[in-house]
Amino acid sequence: NAGVTQTPKFQVLKTGQSMTLQCAQDMNHNSMYWYRQDPGMGLRLIYYSASEGTTDKGEVPNGYNVSRLNKREFSLRLESAAPSQTSVYFCASSRTAGPSSGANVLTFGAGSRLTVL
Amino acid sequence: GENVEQHPSTLSVQEGDSAVIKCTYSDSASNYFPWYKQELGKRPQLIIDIRSNVGEKKDQRIAVTLNKTAKHFSLHITETQPEDSAVYFCAASKAERFGAGTRLTVKP
Repeated sequence: NAGVTQTPKFQVLKTGQSMTLQCAQDMNHNSMYWYRQDPGMGLRLIYYSASEGTTDKGEVPNGYNVSRLNKREFSLRLESAAPSQTSVYFCASSRTAGPSSGANVLTFGAGSRLTVL
Repeated sequence: GENVEQHPSTLSVQEGDSAVIKCTYSDSASNYFPWYKQELGKRPQLIIDIRSNVGEKKDQRIAVTLNKTAKHFSLHITETQPEDSAVYFCAASKAERFGAGTRLTVKP
């Protein structure tokens, strides 16, 4: 049982390049999330998917796109990377689905460190 | 949407002392309040949570208290140890949005 798996762990890009961060969970969770964490700062929600087939913007969605490929996988794409997107990206998943859910325990992946030069 | 504020942003204590981190929330309909711990270079992990029908919950040296009237909740760590050094995050309601985090340093 691997939990939440993110790839790659590290990536260096040049400004303007594109890339996709992959995330997969094997816990049969309904909801999946992408966060970014800048040095000394908290976790900011980029996009989330409450259930398979749906995606919604979080706090900082500009410059990103997401795809909920199936129940297991949720990818984050940077179409034209900018230095401001240098950050550590965390994928997370939770069993709960829907906006009226109560306890929503998140399980995080190990993180992906992205540097944009 | 829910707005969660967390204080202090940094906290330094001597080993063996207690540490308290406080969060306030805006949505009175919030009913779930988790706390996550993130050690340096690691992923955040849930350490304790509380539902709105309970005022306090304890798990060994950590406890969470909730004041629904005032819309605030707190994490209490007693007899702190160096391994408690980490960043702690609170969240409210559906828990996908977090407070800004508190960096706790426990000095030996």
